[in-house]
Formats: sequence, C-alpha cells, structure tokens
Amino acid sequence: ETGVTQTPRHLVMGMTNKKSLKCEQHLGHNAMYWYKQSAKKPLELMFVYNFKEQTENNSVPSRFSPECPNSSHLFLHLHTLQPEDSALYLCASSQPGTALGKLFFGSGTQLSVL
Amino acid sequence: AQTVTQSQPEMSVQEAETVTLSCTYDTSESNYYLFWYKQPPSRQMILVIRQEAYKQQNATENRFSVNFQKAAKSFSLKISDSQLGDTAMYFCAFNLPGTYKYIFGTGTRLKVLA
Repeated sequence: ETGVTQTPRHLVMGMTNKKSLKCEQHLGHNAMYWYKQSAKKPLELMFVYNFKEQTENNSVPSRFSPECPNSSHLFLHLHTLQPEDSALYLCASSQPGTALGKLFFGSGTQLSVL
Repeated sequence: AQTVTQSQPEMSVQEAETVTLSCTYDTSESNYYLFWYKQPPSRQMILVIRQEAYKQQNATENRFSVNFQKAAKSFSLKISDSQLGDTAMYFCAFNLPGTYKYIFGTGTRLKVLA
C-alpha cells in the first residue's frame, strides 16, 4: 500500500461515453500527477498539479480533462476517447523538495476504449 | 533534455541466482536523483531503490543494490538471491530535485524461474 488509491481498477467505455478516473492520496503531498502507460513505451506524463494548480500539461488532447479540487484528490475526466487511448492510467504523488524525490503511485486504471 | 535508456527488454534468472539490469541516462545536470521502480502483475509501481547523484556510495536495500557510475552515466540494478516475487517490470527513472520532471525508461521485464 503506497498511500495512493485509484478507482476504478478497470474501465471499458465506448467512444461516445463520458467517464471519470479518481485518485486520492493520504500522504500529505502537494503534487499529484497523471501518467499514461502504453505497452512498450516509457511512461508519459500527462498532467501535474501542485497545490491544486496545474503546473504541467504535456500537450494532452482536450478529450482528457483533469480536475484537482484539493491537494488530496485528482480526477481525470474522459470524453469522446479514441481506441488508441486504451492504456493503463497511473496517478502519483510527491512532495517536491522533500521525501528525497520519491514518487508514489496508485495501482492504476486499465482503460479499454471500444 | 534528459533521457533514460534501458536496453534489455526482457531478462530471466533462476531462483536464488543474481541478475543485473542495465540503465543509462543522459543529462547535463550535476545533481539529480535516480530510481528503480518495480511493477509486478498487480500493476502497483513500487520504489525499489534510490540514489542521489552527489553521493558516491552505491545505495543498497536488502537484496537490491546499484552500481552508480556517474561519469559513465550508468545506473544498474543488481538483485541478489532472486525470488519468485521479484518477477516484474523494472523501470529506471531520473528526477531533478525539487521538480515535477521524472523521466522513465521503457522498462525491463524480469522473470524469475523456479
């Protein structure tokens, strides 16, 4: 248990659906991240929030919409996705400047877009 | 820009034997963190070991140790007395202290054979 919880574990959606991924961290960290993990590719950083403010948006298509209502919660809203968006979506948290740079991950949401 | 390269897509090792996973990186910075993360079939990314670039001493955590060669920009992971539970994807990662920027390699799939 890393202190970062993601739901749901698995999600299957059609291209016209709207769904949301949820992440919660219990570590008191200020920074939260969304990563996309596709087969045989390095982890791709999507978004970073620090103190609820978005600090990184890595040229992610607008069909992915992040929301960070507070430092403990992070959402990824999905709409009109494409089959190539099927991947494992990982949430992570860190405390920049402390905790020796460690990044703590959730178990991920395995997304399949039909 | 920083890059991280893992040149071994897959490896296998007999139980109780020792295996070394390779990682090279490129950066112009002098101070940084390096990490090895493990991702078992459960998908939870778990921190295995961490190295600070300004420390010459190689990090060790029980059966896991690193060979950090700063001049060569090499950061290999040695797993001693391999156990079946070590079967996982292993990712090498780089971070600049105090930043949100984590660069990951493409991973090495390790299988421990009984």
